[in-house]
Amino acid sequence: AQSVTQLDSQVPVFEEAPVELRCNYSSSVSVYLFWYVQYPNQGLQLLLKYLSGSTLVKGINGFEAEFNKSQTSFHLRKPSVHISDTAEYFCAVSFFGNEKLTFGTGTRLTIIP
Amino acid sequence: NAGVTQTPKFQVLKTGQSMTLQCAQDMNHEYMSWYRQDPGMGLRLIHYSVGAGITDQGEVPNGYNVSRSTTEDFPLRLLSAAPSQTSVYFCASRIRDRGEREQFFGPGTRLTVL
Repeated sequence: AQSVTQLDSQVPVFEEAPVELRCNYSSSVSVYLFWYVQYPNQGLQLLLKYLSGSTLVKGINGFEAEFNKSQTSFHLRKPSVHISDTAEYFCAVSFFGNEKLTFGTGTRLTIIP
Repeated sequence: NAGVTQTPKFQVLKTGQSMTLQCAQDMNHEYMSWYRQDPGMGLRLIHYSVGAGITDQGEVPNGYNVSRSTTEDFPLRLLSAAPSQTSVYFCASRIRDRGEREQFFGPGTRLTVL
């Protein structure tokens, strides 16, 4: 079965510290991978996406993610977080040949001043 | 462009009432979808459409109906609301099947069923 897993439901991080949010997927076919961010009481906004090509993808607000096919992972990273990064982050996967976008359960990132 | 718009932003219903959540997009996107967001469960697909006149079920379709008479609009109907349908509902749209797959989301509708 095709699925996506976000291993951490909550991640507290001190301001200016690095952060990694984990995402793993299960699929027997090629995938397209996305990270979305949801700020409090708002809709979802695309952070970055991997469709093909370079496995290191850079997005908005200083975030980046690396596609690792052998480990079926697409972890999100930022070298130094700010208070404004407080939000919920969703990994999403679209499987080749399937129209649908499947979301993980989300990771709530809390920045500690 | 307004992007994806949803109305209403908030709604309170009593059990058994019916209502329609509206969704419209002005980007000429073929693909439109409805998700519900519940704490700890992420976003789950309710229904989706790949074009006018074509709809299909997602992961959690029970209790919801959709139709797509135009490219722009994709309303979601609750025929008999239940407390289990208390949730935040998001509509999304994208260009269909060109490898991009980036979905654009509306601001959401927060629904409470008493």
